[in-house]
Amino acid sequence: SAVISQKPSRDICQRGTSLTIQCQVDSQVTMMFWYRQQPGQSLTLIATANQGSEATYESGFVIDKFPISRPNLTFSTLTVSNMSPEDSSIYLCSVFLGETQYFGPGTRLLVL
Amino acid sequence: AQKITQTQPGMFVQEKEAVTLDCTYDTSDPSYGLFWYKQPSSGEMIFLIYQGSYDQQNATEGRYSLNFQKARKSANLVISASQLGDSAMYFCAIRTSGTYKYIFGTGTRLKVLA
Repeated sequence: SAVISQKPSRDICQRGTSLTIQCQVDSQVTMMFWYRQQPGQSLTLIATANQGSEATYESGFVIDKFPISRPNLTFSTLTVSNMSPEDSSIYLCSVFLGETQYFGPGTRLLVL
Repeated sequence: AQKITQTQPGMFVQEKEAVTLDCTYDTSDPSYGLFWYKQPSSGEMIFLIYQGSYDQQNATEGRYSLNFQKARKSANLVISASQLGDSAMYFCAIRTSGTYKYIFGTGTRLKVLA
Protein backbone atom coordinates (compact mmCIF):
# COMPACT_ATOMS: atom_id res chain seq x y z
CA SER A 1 0.00 0.00 0.00
CA ALA A 2 0.97 3.67 -0.25
CA VAL A 3 1.54 6.06 2.62
CA ILE A 4 -0.32 9.27 1.85
CA SER A 5 -0.35 12.35 4.02
CA GLN A 6 -2.47 15.47 3.77
CA LYS A 7 -2.16 18.91 5.27
CA PRO A 8 -4.06 20.42 6.94
CA SER A 9 -6.08 17.66 8.55
CA ARG A 10 -8.88 20.11 9.24
CA ASP A 11 -9.58 23.80 9.00
CA ILE A 12 -12.29 26.35 9.63
CA CYS A 13 -12.36 29.13 7.05
CA GLN A 14 -14.30 32.28 6.38
CA ARG A 15 -16.52 32.73 3.36
CA GLY A 16 -14.69 34.23 0.39
CA THR A 17 -11.23 33.01 1.36
CA SER A 18 -9.16 30.23 -0.23
CA LEU A 19 -7.49 27.16 1.23
CA THR A 20 -4.72 25.06 -0.28
CA ILE A 21 -4.58 21.39 0.65
CA GLN A 22 -1.36 19.47 0.25
CA CYS A 23 -1.00 15.78 -0.55
CA GLN A 24 2.28 13.87 -0.24
CA VAL A 25 2.83 10.25 -1.31
CA ASP A 26 5.73 8.05 -0.28
CA SER A 27 6.26 6.71 -3.80
CA GLN A 28 6.27 8.12 -7.31
CA VAL A 29 2.90 7.88 -9.03
CA THR A 30 1.76 9.05 -12.43
CA MET A 31 -1.72 10.11 -11.46
CA MET A 32 -3.13 11.59 -8.27
CA PHE A 33 -6.80 12.13 -7.68
CA TRP A 34 -8.80 14.60 -5.65
CA TYR A 35 -12.20 13.72 -4.21
CA ARG A 36 -14.83 15.66 -2.32
CA GLN A 37 -17.19 14.16 0.21
CA GLN A 38 -19.95 16.50 1.29
CA PRO A 39 -21.59 15.84 4.67
CA GLY A 40 -23.51 12.57 4.67
CA GLN A 41 -22.67 11.91 1.03
CA SER A 42 -20.51 9.57 -0.95
CA LEU A 43 -17.26 10.47 -2.67
CA THR A 44 -17.21 12.52 -5.84
CA LEU A 45 -14.15 12.80 -8.06
CA ILE A 46 -13.09 16.41 -8.58
CA ALA A 47 -10.12 16.00 -10.88
CA THR A 48 -7.15 13.92 -11.92
CA ALA A 49 -3.71 15.47 -11.51
CA ASN A 50 -1.00 14.32 -13.89
CA GLN A 51 2.58 15.42 -13.44
CA GLY A 52 3.64 17.84 -16.14
CA SER A 53 0.22 18.52 -17.60
CA GLU A 54 -3.02 20.26 -16.76
CA ALA A 55 -5.40 18.54 -14.41
CA THR A 56 -8.47 16.89 -15.88
CA TYR A 57 -11.68 18.02 -14.21
CA GLU A 58 -14.91 16.10 -13.87
CA SER A 59 -18.27 17.50 -14.85
CA GLY A 60 -19.36 20.17 -12.42
CA PHE A 61 -15.85 21.14 -11.31
CA VAL A 62 -13.78 23.92 -12.85
CA ILE A 63 -10.20 25.00 -12.63
CA ASP A 64 -11.01 28.50 -11.40
CA LYS A 65 -12.73 27.09 -8.35
CA PHE A 66 -10.40 24.14 -7.72
CA PRO A 67 -6.95 24.89 -9.13
CA ILE A 68 -4.55 21.97 -8.84
CA SER A 69 -0.80 21.78 -8.95
CA ARG A 70 1.34 18.69 -9.59
CA PRO A 71 4.96 19.78 -9.46
CA ASN A 72 6.43 16.28 -9.15
CA LEU A 73 5.53 12.61 -8.94
CA THR A 74 4.99 12.55 -5.17
CA PHE A 75 3.15 15.78 -4.44
CA SER A 76 -0.01 17.66 -5.37
CA THR A 77 -2.07 20.55 -4.07
CA LEU A 78 -5.74 21.37 -4.38
CA THR A 79 -6.96 24.89 -3.72
CA VAL A 80 -10.56 25.58 -2.82
CA SER A 81 -11.09 29.16 -3.98
CA ASN A 82 -13.58 31.82 -2.93
CA MET A 83 -15.13 29.45 -0.45
CA SER A 84 -18.78 29.31 0.50
CA PRO A 85 -20.50 27.17 3.17
CA GLU A 86 -21.40 24.69 0.39
CA ASP A 87 -17.70 23.87 0.12
CA SER A 88 -17.73 22.39 3.62
CA SER A 89 -16.61 18.83 2.96
CA ILE A 90 -13.91 16.28 3.43
CA TYR A 91 -11.34 16.53 0.66
CA LEU A 92 -9.32 13.40 -0.05
CA CYS A 93 -6.42 12.74 -2.33
CA SER A 94 -5.75 9.27 -3.67
CA VAL A 95 -3.38 7.23 -5.81
CA PHE A 96 -3.45 3.90 -7.59
CA LEU A 97 -1.20 0.99 -6.79
CA GLY A 98 -1.96 -1.94 -9.01
CA GLU A 99 -5.71 -2.42 -9.11
CA THR A 100 -6.43 -0.58 -5.89
CA GLN A 101 -6.95 3.04 -5.03
CA TYR A 102 -5.52 4.26 -1.73
CA PHE A 103 -6.66 7.40 0.01
CA GLY A 104 -5.05 9.99 2.18
CA PRO A 105 -6.46 10.72 5.63
CA GLY A 106 -8.57 13.58 4.30
CA THR A 107 -8.89 17.28 5.04
CA ARG A 108 -12.03 18.23 6.89
CA LEU A 109 -13.06 21.74 5.86
CA LEU A 110 -15.73 23.88 7.47
CA VAL A 111 -16.63 27.17 5.83
CA LEU A 112 -18.49 29.71 7.93
CA ALA B 1 -22.80 3.76 -17.32
CA GLN B 2 -21.84 2.10 -14.09
CA LYS B 3 -23.81 2.24 -10.90
CA ILE B 4 -23.45 0.99 -7.34
CA THR B 5 -26.44 0.53 -5.03
CA GLN B 6 -26.21 0.11 -1.29
CA THR B 7 -29.73 -0.25 0.04
CA GLN B 8 -28.92 -0.32 3.76
CA PRO B 9 -28.33 3.18 5.10
CA GLY B 10 -27.68 1.77 8.58
CA MET B 11 -27.04 -1.58 10.21
CA PHE B 12 -26.63 -2.83 13.75
CA VAL B 13 -24.76 -5.97 14.77
CA GLN B 14 -23.91 -7.47 18.11
CA GLU B 15 -20.24 -7.76 18.96
CA LYS B 16 -18.72 -11.10 17.86
CA GLU B 17 -21.56 -11.74 15.42
CA ALA B 18 -21.21 -11.75 11.63
CA VAL B 19 -22.83 -9.10 9.46
CA THR B 20 -23.47 -8.78 5.72
CA LEU B 21 -23.48 -5.43 3.99
CA ASP B 22 -25.27 -5.43 0.65
CA CYS B 23 -23.96 -4.06 -2.62
CA THR B 24 -25.38 -4.45 -6.09
CA TYR B 25 -23.86 -3.03 -9.22
CA ASP B 26 -24.70 -2.35 -12.80
CA THR B 27 -22.23 -2.31 -15.64
CA SER B 28 -22.13 -3.38 -19.25
CA ASP B 29 -18.38 -3.89 -19.21
CA PRO B 30 -17.16 -7.49 -18.99
CA SER B 31 -14.04 -6.62 -17.01
CA TYR B 32 -14.31 -4.67 -13.79
CA GLY B 33 -13.22 -4.57 -10.20
CA LEU B 34 -15.28 -4.29 -7.06
CA PHE B 35 -13.96 -2.71 -3.88
CA TRP B 36 -15.01 -2.14 -0.31
CA TYR B 37 -13.74 0.72 1.83
CA LYS B 38 -14.23 1.54 5.49
CA GLN B 39 -14.54 5.13 6.66
CA PRO B 40 -14.32 5.67 10.42
CA SER B 41 -15.51 8.90 11.99
CA SER B 42 -12.00 10.31 11.47
CA GLY B 43 -12.77 10.53 7.74
CA GLU B 44 -10.01 8.45 6.21
CA MET B 45 -10.93 5.85 3.58
CA ILE B 46 -9.44 2.46 4.36
CA PHE B 47 -9.23 -0.16 1.62
CA LEU B 48 -10.64 -3.49 2.78
CA ILE B 49 -11.03 -5.93 -0.08
CA TYR B 50 -11.00 -6.30 -3.86
CA GLN B 51 -12.78 -8.68 -6.23
CA GLY B 52 -12.03 -8.90 -9.94
CA SER B 53 -14.85 -9.79 -12.28
CA TYR B 54 -12.96 -12.81 -13.60
CA ASP B 55 -11.88 -14.11 -10.23
CA GLN B 56 -13.24 -17.61 -9.70
CA GLN B 57 -13.11 -17.50 -5.93
CA ASN B 58 -14.58 -15.03 -3.50
CA ALA B 59 -12.01 -12.66 -2.07
CA THR B 60 -11.10 -12.88 1.60
CA GLU B 61 -8.95 -10.65 3.78
CA GLY B 62 -8.84 -11.67 7.40
CA ARG B 63 -12.30 -11.15 8.88
CA TYR B 64 -13.57 -9.65 5.62
CA SER B 65 -14.94 -11.71 2.77
CA LEU B 66 -16.74 -10.71 -0.38
CA ASN B 67 -19.74 -12.74 -1.43
CA PHE B 68 -19.52 -12.28 -5.19
CA GLN B 69 -22.53 -13.38 -7.20
CA LYS B 70 -21.81 -12.33 -10.74
CA ALA B 71 -25.12 -13.40 -12.27
CA ARG B 72 -26.99 -11.36 -9.68
CA LYS B 73 -24.50 -8.50 -9.93
CA SER B 74 -24.00 -8.43 -6.21
CA ALA B 75 -20.85 -8.05 -4.14
CA ASN B 76 -21.82 -8.22 -0.50
CA LEU B 77 -19.26 -7.68 2.23
CA VAL B 78 -19.28 -10.14 5.10
CA ILE B 79 -17.59 -9.17 8.34
CA SER B 80 -17.11 -12.06 10.72
CA ALA B 81 -16.71 -11.79 14.48
CA SER B 82 -17.61 -8.08 14.58
CA GLN B 83 -15.59 -5.83 16.83
CA LEU B 84 -16.45 -2.45 18.31
CA GLY B 85 -13.80 -0.92 16.07
CA ASP B 86 -15.75 -2.05 13.01
CA SER B 87 -18.29 0.70 13.64
CA ALA B 88 -17.92 2.96 10.61
CA MET B 89 -19.32 3.84 7.19
CA TYR B 90 -18.72 1.21 4.53
CA PHE B 91 -18.59 2.06 0.85
CA CYS B 92 -18.79 -0.29 -2.11
CA ALA B 93 -17.19 0.85 -5.37
CA ILE B 94 -16.72 -0.35 -8.92
CA ARG B 95 -14.03 0.38 -11.47
CA THR B 96 -13.93 -0.74 -15.07
CA SER B 97 -10.60 -2.28 -16.04
CA GLY B 98 -8.51 0.09 -18.08
CA THR B 99 -9.96 3.18 -16.43
CA TYR B 100 -9.15 4.99 -13.24
CA LYS B 101 -12.62 6.16 -12.30
CA TYR B 102 -14.32 4.67 -9.29
CA ILE B 103 -18.05 4.88 -8.80
CA PHE B 104 -18.98 4.76 -5.14
CA GLY B 105 -22.22 3.73 -3.50
CA THR B 106 -23.97 5.85 -0.92
CA GLY B 107 -22.57 3.82 1.94
CA THR B 108 -23.86 1.81 4.90
CA ARG B 109 -23.31 2.95 8.45
CA LEU B 110 -22.52 -0.01 10.67
CA LYS B 111 -22.82 0.16 14.42
CA VAL B 112 -21.41 -2.70 16.49
CA LEU B 113 -23.12 -3.11 19.85
CA ALA B 114 -21.32 -4.29 22.97
